[in-house]
Amino acid sequence: AQSVTQPDARVTVSEGASLQLRCKYSYSGTPYLFWYVQYPRQGLQLLLKYYSGDPVVQGVNGFEAEFIKSNSSFHLRKASVHWSDSAVYFCAVSANTGYQNFYFGKGTSLTVIP
Amino acid sequence: EAAVTQSPRNKVTVTGGNVTLSCRQTNSHNYMYWYRQDTGHGLRLIHYSYGAGNLQIGDVPDGYKATRTTQEDFFLLLELASPSQTSLYFCASGTENQDTQYFGPGTRLLVL
Repeated sequence: AQSVTQPDARVTVSEGASLQLRCKYSYSGTPYLFWYVQYPRQGLQLLLKYYSGDPVVQGVNGFEAEFIKSNSSFHLRKASVHWSDSAVYFCAVSANTGYQNFYFGKGTSLTVIP
Repeated sequence: EAAVTQSPRNKVTVTGGNVTLSCRQTNSHNYMYWYRQDTGHGLRLIHYSYGAGNLQIGDVPDGYKATRTTQEDFFLLLELASPSQTSLYFCASGTENQDTQYFGPGTRLLVL
């Protein structure tokens, strides 16, 4: 069965520190992978997505993610976080062909301490 | 720019009440989705549709009906609302190749 696991429900980091948010997926086939961000009282916004090719994908606001097929992982990274990055981050997976749904992780709530 | 709007943004009803949540997209996408978001569960798919008149069952459909009247409009219906349906509801639209979903701002529903 398809699923996405984000093992860290909450992460707290200091401003300027580096960040990694973990995501592991289970999918029978080659997946599309996504990271979405949800700021307070807003809907989800796409940060970045991976379809194929270079396993490191760049997103908005300095975020990047690396697809590691052997580990079924798609961790999100940022070299230096800002207080405005405080939000909830969702990892998601979908099929790359056909009419399939998205599967979302439960989200990781990030708090950046000024 | 892609846009998904939802109304109302907030709704309070009583147990047994009748609620309709509305969603409109101007992205010309064929796919539309209704999710609920609850602490500890993330987003869970209620229903989705790949065109006007079409409806597909998602992962948590019990207690919900949906109707897609046009390519733009997708409605979620709670005919006998229960407190367990208190949640934050998101609508989204997407394309056939599932490359991205675009989300609305959400509707917060409280069932007393």
